[in-house]
Amino acid sequence: LAKTTQPISMDSYEGQEVNITCSHNNIATNDYITWYQQFPSQGPRFIIQGYKTKVTNEVASLFIPADRKSSTLSLPRVSLSDTAVYYCLVARSGAGSYQLTFGKGTKLSVIP
Amino acid sequence: GAGVSQSPSNKVTEKGKDVELRCDPISGHTALYWYRQRLGQGLEFLIYFQGNSAPDKSGLPSDRFSAERTGESVSTLTIQRTQQEDSAVYLCASSFQGGLQETQYFGPGTRLLVL
Repeated sequence: LAKTTQPISMDSYEGQEVNITCSHNNIATNDYITWYQQFPSQGPRFIIQGYKTKVTNEVASLFIPADRKSSTLSLPRVSLSDTAVYYCLVARSGAGSYQLTFGKGTKLSVIP
Repeated sequence: GAGVSQSPSNKVTEKGKDVELRCDPISGHTALYWYRQRLGQGLEFLIYFQGNSAPDKSGLPSDRFSAERTGESVSTLTIQRTQQEDSAVYLCASSFQGGLQETQYFGPGTRLLVL
């Protein structure tokens, strides 16, 4: 099984850039890395996905180094509404099925 | 439908009773996933359906847990003889075809409390 490690919590002021790193030391060649956001009493919501190098969309960037043993979610200029729990997911296929390993989540608190 | 729906939204049951949790995926999505999320914890992957087939059931916590899916539609997660440690939010997600790169769309979850 893939293993993932994330910081439990982070605080940031509004307007700052926030970087959340997930370690996945035993990532396999074909694994994909995805980040989800979860608000209280809701299901997680997709933010961004990548395989290697850098991916950017309208809400975030994802940096994955060459060895792929970690990934960093970057949220530019956070606002109060970005207060949520952020999960990294390592998705692995094998034997006709999937292993989907979520990290324990990083609780981001944005301070006014 | 517009999104993944789950029912009931909340369920309180007594230890030893059986419960059924239902998930309606997004129309046209062939892949469906069940997760468990204990209070303050991350998501624990339980089972994955491609169509109505679940290739790997090893993620189910015990033989009291079972899941089925009708065609490419509704899925039911059944917990028999519930225990207090089964208390959690059970989340369902669906995706278009089930590839590793696909976005999973989550429902709001069913909050199960076993007394």
